[in-house]
Amino acid sequence: NAGVTQTPKFQVLKTGQSMTLQCAQDMNHNSMYWYRQDPGMGLRLIYYSASEGTTDKGEVPNGYNVSRLNKREFSLRLESAAPSQTSVYFCASSDPRGGLNIQYFGAGTRLSVL
Amino acid sequence: AQKITQTQPGMFVQEKEAVTLDCTYDTSDPSYGLFWYKQPSSGEMIFLIYQGSYDQQNATEGRYSLNFQKARKSANLVISASQLGDSAMYFCAMRVFYGQNFVFGPGTRLSVLP
Repeated sequence: NAGVTQTPKFQVLKTGQSMTLQCAQDMNHNSMYWYRQDPGMGLRLIYYSASEGTTDKGEVPNGYNVSRLNKREFSLRLESAAPSQTSVYFCASSDPRGGLNIQYFGAGTRLSVL
Repeated sequence: AQKITQTQPGMFVQEKEAVTLDCTYDTSDPSYGLFWYKQPSSGEMIFLIYQGSYDQQNATEGRYSLNFQKARKSANLVISASQLGDSAMYFCAMRVFYGQNFVFGPGTRLSVLP
């Protein structure tokens, strides 16, 4: 069972470069999320998509854009990378139906911006 | 706004002993869910246990139990019979039922000693 798949696993960028982080889930979940994890700060929500066709800003959206391509896929784009965006990025999905709304996470993408 | 506090940056426990990881939360919403996730050194986020604000009994999942004290706004994770494989970061998280925004605490690093 694949669950939530993120690509790439590692990436090094130079300041000003752009890139897209890909995320796909095979659990038929409606909701998908992008987080960043920095030391000592836990996970902070960048953007989320409650359902196909909708996206909303989270706690730290500046410098990022997202696309909910279809129900399975949710991508995160850095248009002009900055050193402050060096972080570990996690994609997650969940199904709010039933009330629990447990989030299932991908393995993460470790991004370094030089 | 919701907030999660984990006051223990690091904890040590002897193998086979029980350990309690603290979590306090703040929300004005009466309907919410509390989650605990484990992040081993490999980096993935693993869901452990869930407690709903209206649940009458404390949640249990195998060796994990959640000590939920609603009046004190605390949701401590208890791990019984610690194993070496329990060494990891542990994150407490919360979501209000009518929102999509998950809020994570900064985490507690647990080290199990042989």
